[in-house]
This record gives sequence, C-alpha cells and structure tokens, in this order.
Amino acid sequence: EPEVTQTPSHQVTQMGQEVILRCVPISNHLYFYWYRQILGQKVEFLVSFYNNEISEKSEIFDDQFSVERPDGSNFTLKIRSTKLEDSAMYFCASSEVGLNTEAFFGQGTRLTVV
Amino acid sequence: GNSVTQMEGPVTLSEEAFLTINCTYTATGYPSLFWYVQYPGEGLQLLLKATKADDKGSNKGFEATYRKETTSFHLEKGSVQVSDSAVYFCALSDRSGFQKLVFGTGTRLLVSP
Repeated sequence: EPEVTQTPSHQVTQMGQEVILRCVPISNHLYFYWYRQILGQKVEFLVSFYNNEISEKSEIFDDQFSVERPDGSNFTLKIRSTKLEDSAMYFCASSEVGLNTEAFFGQGTRLTVV
Repeated sequence: GNSVTQMEGPVTLSEEAFLTINCTYTATGYPSLFWYVQYPGEGLQLLLKATKADDKGSNKGFEATYRKETTSFHLEKGSVQVSDSAVYFCALSDRSGFQKLVFGTGTRLLVSP
C-alpha cells in the first residue's frame, strides 16, 4: 500500500541551527502539507503546497520556515534558525486533488531543539 | 476561528469494554468531521469521516455521528480490543480548504487483556 515516508524519525539540533525535514509523498498526489504537534498540544496546520507554490499557510509559518519540492519525489520543510519552541512532532501529508480526497500522513519527525 | 475539543486521556479499558471518546467542535458554516488514529510508530490514519449533519461514519467497528445541534462527533465502539490501543484525533475541515484540518489534542486509548 502506498505511504508517505518521513526522514529522519528523530532529529536533535542546537538552537540557531538550520534543519531540513524530508518527506516523500505518495507518487500520484499533488497536494502536500506540513503539520506539527508540540508535546501535549494540538496538531496544527502549517502549510499546504500545490503546483510548486504555497497555497495556504498559517500564522505559525513565518519567515523562518520554507518548503520546497526540490525534485519529483521529495517535499521538504526547512527551519532556518531553530528555536527551543520549534521542538515538536512534524507530520507531512499528501492528497490527490479534489474535494473528497483523503489526506495521507507520514509517521512524523520528532524535532528536539536543545 | 474553528476549533476542536476532545476529552483528556489516557482512557484505560479492559478488552471488550464499551468505548466513548468525546469530541466537540466550534466552526462557522458546515465543516466535515473526521477521526484519525495513530498506532505506535505509525502516521495518522483516517478512521472515519462524516461530511454533513446526521451522517454516521463507521469503520472497523468504530462509529461517530455528526450532531449539529450539540456540535459533537463522539467516537464509539461496542467492544474494544487490545489492538485498538492508539491515539485518536478528532478533526474538522471547512469547505473552503478541504484538507486544511483542524485537530484536537488527541486521546490515548490503552486496552488491557
């Protein structure tokens, strides 16, 4: 069964460092998303991406964040200068185009900023 | 703005017990409602959904009914199994951005033999 895969499963980084989280969406999907969950809090929408551009982003997704589809398979989330409060589980998701399509999620990357 | 509130966990049950996980929502318009499940070490998986009032979503013995009058979407299962142990997330999406999901905090279910 096709699945969304994320790497790494756990990343530890020092405050102020750049970090790139990687995702391989399902191959025929065209919509891509990043969500995050700070420990004990809600899963929050960060950004959606379609046709090589951001289609929607939340207030959380400020200038420190960027997304990219560098090739035909990967979808990345970059945090330029990590803060302690960026520590969270980051989920990637993808879906087909259409109103009643399901979003498929990856297993998540746990980011710990120290 | 839109929001989802679900009961705090963990919920601890014995096998074959009845399960209810409460979920209420606040939204403008007519959102679609979802339950996602996350098994240990895996991603979020769609468990069931309902797209309009009074719809009942069901899957794997789980059910939830979209109640507009009480703005609720409670998850139920008549007889839980050890394999149902997971974290359950209630979520909604508005019609304008179908896959921009608003999640609750998740409820961990622990089922013992």
